[in-house]
Amino acid sequence: RKEVEQDPGPFNVPEGATVAFNCTYSNSASQSFFWYRQDCRKEPKLLMSVYSSGNEDGRFTAQLNRASQYISLLIRDSKLSDSATYLCVVNGMDSSYKLIFGSGTRLLVRP
Amino acid sequence: ETGVTQTPRHLVMGMTNKKSLKCEQHLGHNAMYWYKQSAKKPLELMFVYSLEERVENNSVPSRFSPECPNSSHLFLHLHTLQPEDSALYLCASSQDLGGQTHNEQFFGPGTRLTVL
Repeated sequence: RKEVEQDPGPFNVPEGATVAFNCTYSNSASQSFFWYRQDCRKEPKLLMSVYSSGNEDGRFTAQLNRASQYISLLIRDSKLSDSATYLCVVNGMDSSYKLIFGSGTRLLVRP
Repeated sequence: ETGVTQTPRHLVMGMTNKKSLKCEQHLGHNAMYWYKQSAKKPLELMFVYSLEERVENNSVPSRFSPECPNSSHLFLHLHTLQPEDSALYLCASSQDLGGQTHNEQFFGPGTRLTVL
């Protein structure tokens, strides 16, 4: 089993749609969770950290379910500029700095 | 954005060449990282430095040699690489190693390396 698993997509949605990405992780001791965004041939950029209580940043909402070892990202009112690959990231088994990246979920927002 | 810079942005080298990748962070961070991203694969951590000391060497072949002369600069020296080493090499930095708190890492634009 992969340490961090994501549906690779692509998710192809119209502008204005709401889209949700899911991610599962294998290490129950993980403490740090993030969503990064990566545009084609660019570096990953931090989208948001994910906290136990869930958190929201504008059109983006992240949720964490520790019991199920599951993280989600909800994007409301999708924009063309949201088209990218979204990476689920979890800290590794033996250290907080060792981040384990998922393979990413690709989102395409069409006009 | 100029928080973390990397040079060169593109590099083509033969298997017998020696080259170096450079990373510089302007964020006042204490930890720096090298990652490798191959096509269709997730990012793989290669090396971690904290306050100029290496804290992680993730089973990386010796043909990759890191150097961290100070907390703002990180190098990756390359020699006798193989074609399968062609990838995007990303540098990142974070405030520190994180401990029990979130360890947000910020990435440079990467060096796209092609080994012929």
